Amino acid sequence: GENVEQHPSTLSVQEGDSAVIKCTYSDSASNYFPWYKQELGKRPQLIIDIRSNVGEKKDQRIAVTLNKTAKHFSLHITETQPEDSAVYFCAASISSNDYKLSFGAGTTVTVRA
Amino acid sequence: GAVVSQHPSRVICKSGTSVKIECRSLDFQATTMFWYRQFPKKSLMLMATSNEGSKATYEQGVEKDKFLINHASLTLSTLTVTSAHPEDSSFYICSACPHGAGICYEQYFGPGTRLTVT
Repeated sequence: GENVEQHPSTLSVQEGDSAVIKCTYSDSASNYFPWYKQELGKRPQLIIDIRSNVGEKKDQRIAVTLNKTAKHFSLHITETQPEDSAVYFCAASISSNDYKLSFGAGTTVTVRA
Repeated sequence: GAVVSQHPSRVICKSGTSVKIECRSLDFQATTMFWYRQFPKKSLMLMATSNEGSKATYEQGVEKDKFLINHASLTLSTLTVTSAHPEDSSFYICSACPHGAGICYEQYFGPGTRLTVT
């Protein structure tokens, strides 16, 4: 099955700096890559996603890049703010496999004021 | 739109009893729902895929007789943890895909159910 690896496991950044989280996946058939933000005890919230026919997508301070050849994708958060502090998960899915999501292990991001 | 609810949000039960968790899509119909388990400071692990009107598909290592899933309508899926044990204590989260979309890229997550087995 799909194996998604995520790094780093923890990330501490100064407010205003950028944060980058990287993920790799194993199944070349994966074609959908969402990123979720989860606060303690809450549901995961989709913050951005990218499909395999696109190499980059941006939404205000958040961007995601995808390298299909290398099978890795990254989340970039610019101008970080304290409210960006949370756990971030990457995931991958295959449309032909019921769209089941395989999650990375998560990255705990702490933005220092 | 695209709201998914879960009930209860928290439940404490005694070892050996069964607990039912409901997952509802409030403003859309969902042909497919997913059930996840999340241990503290860990990732979401898919337990099973629930399709309306058919049997659930369980992931490897998940006991189907222990975690009973029923998806009787397009807006409701239930997960019953039977003969619960302390090691079943976890955060259970469901997600749902809209019906008729043809594709299911975005899953909408419920708020989760915190199960504690004493």
